[in-house]
Amino acid sequence: AQSVTQLGSHVSVSEGALVLLRCNYSSSVPPYLFWYVQYPNQGLQLLLKYTTGATLVKGINGFEAEFKKSETSFHLTKPSAHMSDAAEYFCAVSVNTDKLIFGTGTRLQVFP
Amino acid sequence: SQTIHQWPATLVQPVGSPLSLECTVEGTSNPNLYWYRQAAGRGLQLLFYSVGIGQISSEVPQNLSASRPQDRQFILSSKKLLLSDSGFYLCAWSLAGRAGTEAFFGQGTRLTVV
Repeated sequence: AQSVTQLGSHVSVSEGALVLLRCNYSSSVPPYLFWYVQYPNQGLQLLLKYTTGATLVKGINGFEAEFKKSETSFHLTKPSAHMSDAAEYFCAVSVNTDKLIFGTGTRLQVFP
Repeated sequence: SQTIHQWPATLVQPVGSPLSLECTVEGTSNPNLYWYRQAAGRGLQLLFYSVGIGQISSEVPQNLSASRPQDRQFILSSKKLLLSDSGFYLCAWSLAGRAGTEAFFGQGTRLTVV
C-alpha cells in the first residue's frame, strides 16, 4: 500500500527566506503526487501535482516541487516566503485511479 | 463548473447523540466521493470513499458510517457520538476512472462532541 511521510510537523522561516517542506513516499508502482495547502478552518486547495513527464512541477503562489524517484521524495519549495504563506501543507499520493492518501501535514510559520 | 457543498460548518453535539453530515457535488456526474477526518496533530485520515451509488468502502473501523443515496450526495452518520469523534470533517470529490486526478474539497465541518 502507498503512503507518504512528511518530515517536520512545524517549520518556521523568516519572510523572504527559502521555504522547504519535505515529503517522502512509499509505493510499489509509479505514484501520482500532490501538494495541498489548508488555511485555518477551511478545506484543502491544490498547490501542484505530479503525474508523468517533467519532474519539476510548478504550482500556484510561486511554489514548486521536484519528483525524485531515486530518493522517493517530492519536496515542496518556494524561493522567498511571504507572510500569506503561513498555513498547513499536506503531501498526498495515489496510484492508478485509487484514492488519495495524505501525510500528517506540516504547519508553516512565517516571521516578519 | 463543479462545486461541492458541505454543511453544517460547525456543530456541537452531546455524547450519545446521532450525527448526520451532508455533502453534495454539482456540475459533474458519477464522481468518486470521500470523507476525511482531521484531528489535531494527526493529519488527514480517510474514513470512507465511494465510487458509485450504494458503493461504500470503509478505511478504518469506527463509530461512523457513510451512505450515498444519490449520485452526487454523500452522507456521514453516527447513531451515538463519542468524545473521540470530535474533529474537522472534510468531504471531497474526484473524477472517476482518471489516473492522477486530484481531489476537490469542501469547506469542512467542525464537530465538537461534548
